[in-house]
Formats: sequence, C-alpha cells, structure tokens
Amino acid sequence: QKEVEQDPGPLSVPEGAIVSLNCTYSNSAFQYFMWYRQYSRKGPELLMYTYSSGNKEDGRFTAQVDKSSKYISLFIRDSQPSDSATYLCAMVSLTDYKLSFGAGTTVTVRA
Amino acid sequence: EAQVTQNPRYLITVTGKKLTVTCSQNMNHEYMSWYRQDPGLGLRQIYYSMNVEVTDKGDVPEGYKVSRKEKRNFPLILESPSPNQTSLYFCASSLSGGATDTQYFGPGTRLTVL
Repeated sequence: QKEVEQDPGPLSVPEGAIVSLNCTYSNSAFQYFMWYRQYSRKGPELLMYTYSSGNKEDGRFTAQVDKSSKYISLFIRDSQPSDSATYLCAMVSLTDYKLSFGAGTTVTVRA
Repeated sequence: EAQVTQNPRYLITVTGKKLTVTCSQNMNHEYMSWYRQDPGLGLRQIYYSMNVEVTDKGDVPEGYKVSRKEKRNFPLILESPSPNQTSLYFCASSLSGGATDTQYFGPGTRLTVL
C-alpha cells in the first residue's frame, strides 16, 4: 500500500466550477502537507502548504488538513482554464524530512 | 532569474549506453535531489544531497549514480541504462532540505531507453 493515495482522475469541469481534490495517507508522522501544481511539460511548483490540521486560504485556493482522518483536500473556487494542470499532494514527516508525493490528479477546466 | 536547469530535455538512447543528465541551480541552495515521475506512481526520489560531497539514496536508487562536487551542480548518471529507466526525471533544489523549505523543480528530462 502506498503511503499517499491520490485519485489520478482525470477531472474535467466547466469554467467557474469548484474543483475538489483530495489525498489520503497512512503515515501518522506526516506533519507538513503541500500541494504542487504541474503544467504540461513543466516541473512541479509549490502552490500551498499547511502545518498539521486546519484550513489555509490563498485567493481562490483553500487547503484543508484533517489529521484524525488522514485526509487532505484542495479546493479551487471560480476555476479558470489557466488552472488546467496536474495537482500533486505531498507530505513531510518530521522524523526523516522525506517528501512523499501522491500520484497527481489531472484537471481540465473547460472554457 | 532564480532557476533549476536540466540538460538534455529529451533523450532517446539504447540499453547499456552510459549517459549523464546535468542539473544546475543558481540559488545557492545546499539541498538538491533527483526524482523520477511515472504514471500512477507520482514522484519518487532517486538520490539527494544535503551539501557538497554529501549524497544519499532515496527510494529508488538502483541503477543510478550521482555526484556533488560543486554546490550548484548535481548530475545524474546512468552507467548502463535499461528500458525500465524510461521515465520523466526532475532535479530539484531547496535552501537546506528542511521540512518547510520550498523545493524548486527543473523543467524535466524525458528519457527513453530502447
């Protein structure tokens, strides 16, 4: 069983819709949770990160962490065609600082 | 411009022919690493380096070598490539490798081994 599970999609939504992405994990030592965005033919870039449980908002993006359920989410409000990309969740354990990635979910926002 | 560069971007080779993928960063970062990205498996770490002359294995190091002779460069070496090393490779760097350090990724190298 992989440490981090992420549905690869693909996910296709109309412009303006809310995009909901999520990951589950099995390692209780994960403390930092990140979302990376990867455009086609590009490297991943950090979108947001949160520490432990709770919510974090940045413009149209909201990241949520529920450590009791080992579940993290990313919501994109008022989605735009420019949000079309692959979104990868990633997590870090404070015991070894190792970064573990989900498989990524490919999102297409239709104009 | 702060960036991580990789070369080549695309490479097609044959089984057993040694190759090197270069990686360079201009941000004076201490930490550098290599990942491979395969469909359904996400990014998996191959090797990482905490500083010059300090390297260590990641999750999938078999068949790869690295060196860190200078702070800015971290080449990935495939001594005898095999078809199962066909993948998309990313180099990344961060300030010190700390849990909250942002990792900056290069543009990727798509390798095909025939």
